[in-house]
Amino acid sequence: QVQLQQWGAGLLKPSGTLSLTCAVSGGSFSAYSWSWIRQPPGKGLEWIGEINHRGSTNYNSSLKSRVTMSIDTSKNQFSLRLSSVTAADTAVYYCARGNHIVVVTASFDIWGQGTMVTVSS
Amino acid sequence: SSELTQDPAVSVALGQTVRITCQGDSLRRNYASWYQQKPGKAPVLVIYGKSNRPSGIPDRISGSSSGNTASLIVTGAQAEDEADYYCNSRDSSGNFWVFGGGTKLTVL
Repeated sequence: QVQLQQWGAGLLKPSGTLSLTCAVSGGSFSAYSWSWIRQPPGKGLEWIGEINHRGSTNYNSSLKSRVTMSIDTSKNQFSLRLSSVTAADTAVYYCARGNHIVVVTASFDIWGQGTMVTVSS
Repeated sequence: SSELTQDPAVSVALGQTVRITCQGDSLRRNYASWYQQKPGKAPVLVIYGKSNRPSGIPDRISGSSSGNTASLIVTGAQAEDEADYYCNSRDSSGNFWVFGGGTKLTVL
């Protein structure tokens, strides 16, 4: 059974850098893409970016200048860094497995438990 | 276009059928996936592809699509179906993911 376990700092000051890590257990790491998705309080889901096992990335254009994703295949982990955070970055952050082996039926089939990140002075 | 559009809220009487829709250009070439989210919980995939359900999802939940519109159908809605529902797909370029704004389903 595939599981995603995520962790990282929950409280940041403005202008700081958000850092989260997600560990994948129980399944293939190389056959999928690995995404970060966030949800501000009371609002909808926003895709942040994805990385594959080769380290290739795609980022949401609205966040691209501040986002860096990395991967450690030896540990089956991937990470998110978001720089220059403001209160607008306050959200629950989720890691998720992107299953697009068949592109037209792509979906996020496994999700992490979520991490609430608050940006406040 | 990189947008998916959903109605913000829909209601259904207990035991009746409800359709939640999602519109966007990316749906002309990709199927929508649908997620159910209950308060304080992570989203759960309920439909992907033409109308595929992951293990554990009840068969009263189904999907359909036509042109640029995808639908999630709940037949015989139950109280436990009350939740927020989000649609999602790869965008038209195939390089990015897009989400709809979400629909709050109320079961009366």
